[in-house]
Amino acid sequence: EPEVTQTPSHQVTQMGQEVILRCVPISNHLYFYWYRQILGQKVEFLVSFYNNEISEKSEIFDDQFSVERPDGSNFTLKIRSTKLEDSAMYFCAEGTATYEQYFGPGTRLTVT
Amino acid sequence: RKEVEQDPGPFNVPEGATVAFNCTYSNSASQSFFWYRQDCRKEPKLLMSVYSSGNEDGRFTAQLNRASQYISLLIRDSKLSDSATYLCVVSGGDMRFGAGTRLTVKP
Repeated sequence: EPEVTQTPSHQVTQMGQEVILRCVPISNHLYFYWYRQILGQKVEFLVSFYNNEISEKSEIFDDQFSVERPDGSNFTLKIRSTKLEDSAMYFCAEGTATYEQYFGPGTRLTVT
Repeated sequence: RKEVEQDPGPFNVPEGATVAFNCTYSNSASQSFFWYRQDCRKEPKLLMSVYSSGNEDGRFTAQLNRASQYISLLIRDSKLSDSATYLCVVSGGDMRFGAGTRLTVKP
């Protein structure tokens, strides 16, 4: 099974800075997702993306966050003006029409 | 009430044991159900989808009871490599994860 990849594996940033997390999905899947997992807590859904549009988003996904697929392959999550509480693992996933999802290895974001 | 609730665990079992995990969900409109496993500091990996008729994949059996809004996972003949956190996941457009149940299989 080809793997979803994410870059960087670890990002350290200062509070108030903007970060862009990148995901390179496997081809042929149409559904893309971002999740976060704060250390020791459960995986939380952020947003789903289908046909180059946001299809669902959670209450966490506020104006601080945005997603893009700028070149038709990479899938990015931008976090503006990061806060300490944004420190977490961020996973992208891609999925099928039956909602089975395949996760990337994650980006560990540390906000200092 | 939590949207997806799982046994708190942890479960510590010897190799070869049978272990069962339970999960309940609150959204009756949920459409798809899954079990994922997550190793420490790794990404969740799909273990199996869960169907109303129940389904089996080797040593793993999953059951769904829509009326009771209840999902289960049974692991038979557990192996050391089964040690992980098992996540119950429910989808109704977005995906809602349970907090997970930690399983440790000991020699």
